[in-house]
Formats: sequence, structure tokens, C-alpha cells
Amino acid sequence: GNSVTQMEGPVTLSEEAFLTINCTYTATGYPSLFWYVQYPGEGLQLLLKATKADDKGSNKGFEATYRKETTSFHLEKGSVQVSDSAVYFCALSTGGSYIPTFGRGTSLIVHP
Amino acid sequence: DAEITQSPRHKITETGRQVTLACHQTWNHNNMFWYRQDLGHGLRLIHYSYGVQDTNKGEVSDGYSVSRSNTEDLPLTLESAASSQTSVYFCASSGGPGGSRTDTQYFGPGTRLTVL
Repeated sequence: GNSVTQMEGPVTLSEEAFLTINCTYTATGYPSLFWYVQYPGEGLQLLLKATKADDKGSNKGFEATYRKETTSFHLEKGSVQVSDSAVYFCALSTGGSYIPTFGRGTSLIVHP
Repeated sequence: DAEITQSPRHKITETGRQVTLACHQTWNHNNMFWYRQDLGHGLRLIHYSYGVQDTNKGEVSDGYSVSRSNTEDLPLTLESAASSQTSVYFCASSGGPGGSRTDTQYFGPGTRLTVL
């Protein structure tokens, strides 16, 4: 079956620090990969996605590259802000099902 | 603008009562989902629907039911609320006609349910 493994949090950083949140996956077929973000008190929303190997998704200064050889989709940002404090979920979706598989989520706390 | 809404946003109920949580989407999506989110468990799928009159059980469906009578709505019913069902519930939708694995899920703002 499909699975997504994320690094456990919380990840605590100072403002302007570099961020990496690791995500690895196992999947049958060729999945699409997603990062969702959940701000306090809100539902999840798409941050970025990549649909084939070597694609890079990017949005709001965040980036992630679909690495088929290492089955990874690590999220990075060069300089985090306090407003980036949220929970980040890695997810995948494969053909034949519209049900994504989510990781457990990683909490990010950014201090001024 | 298209959106997905949930009501109520907060609900307190007593053990044994029937509770219905509403979910309404204006994306014209075929697929709708209900999740619960609990600390330490992430998101867990309760029920889902691929279209009108279609419903399917997810990994934690016991004690819950759904019905899909139109494209826009997927209400979630707790038949007899239990304290273990205290949680935050999220509705989501995805997939216009001919959906694919690249489809994004769009989430509602959530309903915080407390069962006393």
C-alpha cells in the first residue's frame, strides 16, 4: 500500500532561518506529490505539488522537488517568517483512486 | 468564488445524541471526503463519496454515516455520539468531471465537536 513518512516535529526556528522538512514515500505506480499547509484554526490548503519525476513545485518561497530515485519530496524555504508557523502535511495520490495518502504532519514554529 | 463550507464550526453535545455535521461545496466536485483530526493521529478518513448516491467507508467509519443526494452536500451523521468522537472534523472535495491523480483536495474550515 501507499505510505508517507514525515519528520516528527515540532520544528522550531528563528526568523530568516533555512527550513527543510523531510518527506519520503512508498507508492504503487507513479504518484503525484503534494504539500499542504494548515494554519492555526483553519483547514488544510494546498501549498505546492509535483506530478512527475524531477518536477519542482514552488509557492510563497517554498520549494520541493519530486525525487523518484530516493522516493522523496522534501520541503524547503530559504528564509522563514513568523507567519509560516503552521502544520505541514506531505501527501501523495496515485491513479485509480482519488483518496490521497497523508503524512502525520510536521509542526513548524518560527520565533521572531 | 467557489468554496467549501462547514457548519456548525463548534458543537457541544451529550453522549448518546445524534449529531449531523454539514458540508457544502460550490466547486462542482465529484468527490467529497470526511476526515477527523486528532493529536497524534494526523488525518483519518471516515467516509467518502465519488458522486451522487455513492458512499464508501474509510478507515474509521464505525459510528458514522453519510448520504449524498446531490453534488454539493455530504452531511456526516454520528448516530449515537460517544466521547471518543470528540475531535475536529474536516470535509474536503476534489475532482471535476474526469478527475485524476493530480487533483488537489480543497478543505473546509473544520468543525470542532465535543461530546460530554
